[in-house]
Amino acid sequence: DTGVSQNPRHKITKRGQNVTFRCDPISEHNRLYWYRQTLGQGPEFLTYFQNEAQLEKSRLLSDRFSAERPKGSFSTLEIQRTEQGDSAMYLCASSPRMTSRSSYNEQFFGPGTRLTVL
Amino acid sequence: GNSVTQMEGPVTLSEEAFLTINCTYTATGYPSLFWYVQYPGEGLQLLLKATKADDKGSNKGFEATYRKETTSFHLEKGSVQVSDSAVYFCALSPNSGYALNFGKGTSLLVTP
Repeated sequence: DTGVSQNPRHKITKRGQNVTFRCDPISEHNRLYWYRQTLGQGPEFLTYFQNEAQLEKSRLLSDRFSAERPKGSFSTLEIQRTEQGDSAMYLCASSPRMTSRSSYNEQFFGPGTRLTVL
Repeated sequence: GNSVTQMEGPVTLSEEAFLTINCTYTATGYPSLFWYVQYPGEGLQLLLKATKADDKGSNKGFEATYRKETTSFHLEKGSVQVSDSAVYFCALSPNSGYALNFGKGTSLLVTP
């Protein structure tokens, strides 16, 4: 399967613990995004990488959140000192390099990691 | 700022009924517009897209037309099937940025 993969699919943790999620994008895609989706809502943007550079961060990304993409391939999202309000589905998406023929920003999504903070 | 508003669900239709899910947007410039679908237990999938005014996106019998004058991108299908039951999300991508702005989603249930 050459789609976006995310691990783990489910994570249950206790309040105050740290968690880390991994995203493997489609191999030739140079752009990678993280979103958060809570029940009954649409995905909300968290952060965006172009290759290894983190180019944009949402105000939703508090100091407890950090994302990396060290070699421009896979990415990790870490949440420190988790809170119950962090319970959500964390989605990763990737998109290919924009060319003159591709003037839009089609993003391909992974299945998500569902985080439950007790 | 950029935002998307779509009709609230759930929407319940009988098989072969006509579907419309309304979507309006607020954005500067000329965004690209998308409909994504999320089937039960699956990830988000792109359903269709339109990149400029008057473009019509279509896929699997679904259609949506980019209407700049009314800032709308309504999703339509002439005859829905039980397998179309899913949550549908309208989204935009600003021309100068990369993050997708999503609506809250509309749940569709099609009954036999």
